[in-house]
Amino acid sequence: KAGVTQTPRYLIKTRGQQVTLSCSPISGHRSVSWYQQTPGQGLQFLFEYFSETQRNKGNFPGRFSGRQFSNSRSEMNVSTLELGDSALYLCASSWGVGGRSPQFFGPGTRLTVL
Amino acid sequence: KQEVTQIPAALSVPEGENLVLNCSFTDSAIYNLQWFRQDPGKGLTSLLLIQSSQREQTSGRLNASLDKSSGRSTLYIAASQPGDSATYLCAVILSSNTGKLIFGQGTTLQVKP
Repeated sequence: KAGVTQTPRYLIKTRGQQVTLSCSPISGHRSVSWYQQTPGQGLQFLFEYFSETQRNKGNFPGRFSGRQFSNSRSEMNVSTLELGDSALYLCASSWGVGGRSPQFFGPGTRLTVL
Repeated sequence: KQEVTQIPAALSVPEGENLVLNCSFTDSAIYNLQWFRQDPGKGLTSLLLIQSSQREQTSGRLNASLDKSSGRSTLYIAASQPGDSATYLCAVILSSNTGKLIFGQGTTLQVKP
């Protein structure tokens, strides 16, 4: 079974631009979550989606948004990029809702904002 | 507010040693706890998941225990190998209605040949 895939793997943008990251979950998984990882703040929760519905949202500004499609693939968008948005963005998929099954992570997208 | 702490932040041991990584959480009302491994610049690999009703889980040389009442979990690695070198993260989930993982800062392990 293929694992969680994320595209692109690396991205360089400039301040003020916007970016879209993509996540394809493990086949059969319907839940996708997104996390931001930085050296200072560690891993912080962004969103959780299940069956195209956002179930939970972390404490991030409205510039961060996401969505999930009917095939469970998910995208997250960051508008008006700031230097502090430079981070590794990780998505995770799981079979069921919430914490009832283990979560499996993708390799991440490394975003650098100049 | 739930906070997860991992001590020590870094650990260096010679190959072959048995070692214990610690994770503590401030609110004992958790749904489950998961241990992950992260290699430099990579994503997270799930190691073990312990439901709140369980006391421990084992996978190969790894054993994770959970003591909800004291807000603690330990990850025991037997006969450590250089390939075990990585950052180990624990994370808790607060309820069955959310998949939000609350992570500790991790313990970076180096196993020297």
